[in-house]
Amino acid sequence: GDSVTQMEGPVTLSEEAFLTINCTYTATGYPSLFWYVQYPGEGLQLLLKATKADDKGSNKGFEATYRKETTSFHLEKGSVQVSDSAVYFCARGGSNYKLTFGKGTLLTVNP
Amino acid sequence: DTAVSQTPKYLVTQMGNDKSIKCEQNLGHDTMYWYKQDSKKFLKIMFSYNNKELIINETVPNRFSPKSPDKAHLNLHINSLELGDSAVYFCASSQEWLAGGSTDTQYFGPGTRLTVL
Repeated sequence: GDSVTQMEGPVTLSEEAFLTINCTYTATGYPSLFWYVQYPGEGLQLLLKATKADDKGSNKGFEATYRKETTSFHLEKGSVQVSDSAVYFCARGGSNYKLTFGKGTLLTVNP
Repeated sequence: DTAVSQTPKYLVTQMGNDKSIKCEQNLGHDTMYWYKQDSKKFLKIMFSYNNKELIINETVPNRFSPKSPDKAHLNLHINSLELGDSAVYFCASSQEWLAGGSTDTQYFGPGTRLTVL
C-alpha cells in the first residue's frame, strides 16, 4: 500500500543552520506530494506541494523537489529561524482518495 | 474568517460516556475528513465524506460514527469512550481530487484534544 517514510527526529539546530528533512514515498502511481507543518498547539497547515515529477514546491524559504527516480521529496531550508520550530509531516496523495502521512519530524531551533 | 473550525477545542470526560465533536468548513469544499493524532504525533485517517457520502472508513471501532448533515459539516460521535480514545482529533477538508484520484491540498481545523479519565 501507499506509505511515506520520513527522517526520525527530533532534530535540533541553531538559528541560521541548514535544514534537511528526508522523505521517501512508495512509487505506486503518480502521487501528489506535500509537506505540512504543525506549530505547537495548532492544526496542520500546508507548507508546500508538488504534483508531478521534477516540480519544486517552495514557501517561506523552504523547498522540496519531486524526484521520481529516487522516490524522494526532501525538505530543505538554507537558514532556519527559531519560529520554524514545529513538527513537519511529509505526505503523499493516493488513488484511494486519501493522504498518507509520514510519522512527523520535530524540529527545534535554538537562538 | 476561520476556514475549518471545530468545537470544542478541549474535551475532558469519563470512561463510558458518549460525546460529539463538531466540524464546519466555509471553503465550499466537497470532501471532509477526520484524523486521529496520538501522543507521538502519528496522524491516521479515520473517515472521509465526499458530498455527504462516506468514502473512506478505516479500521475504526464502530463506537465512532461520523455524521454529515450537509457538505459543510462533518461531526464525529463517540460512544462508550475508552482511555485509549484520548488523542487530538483533527477535521480537514479538500476541494477535489487531482488527476489520477490523488487528493488535493487538505485544510485542517485546529484540533480537539480529547482526554478520557
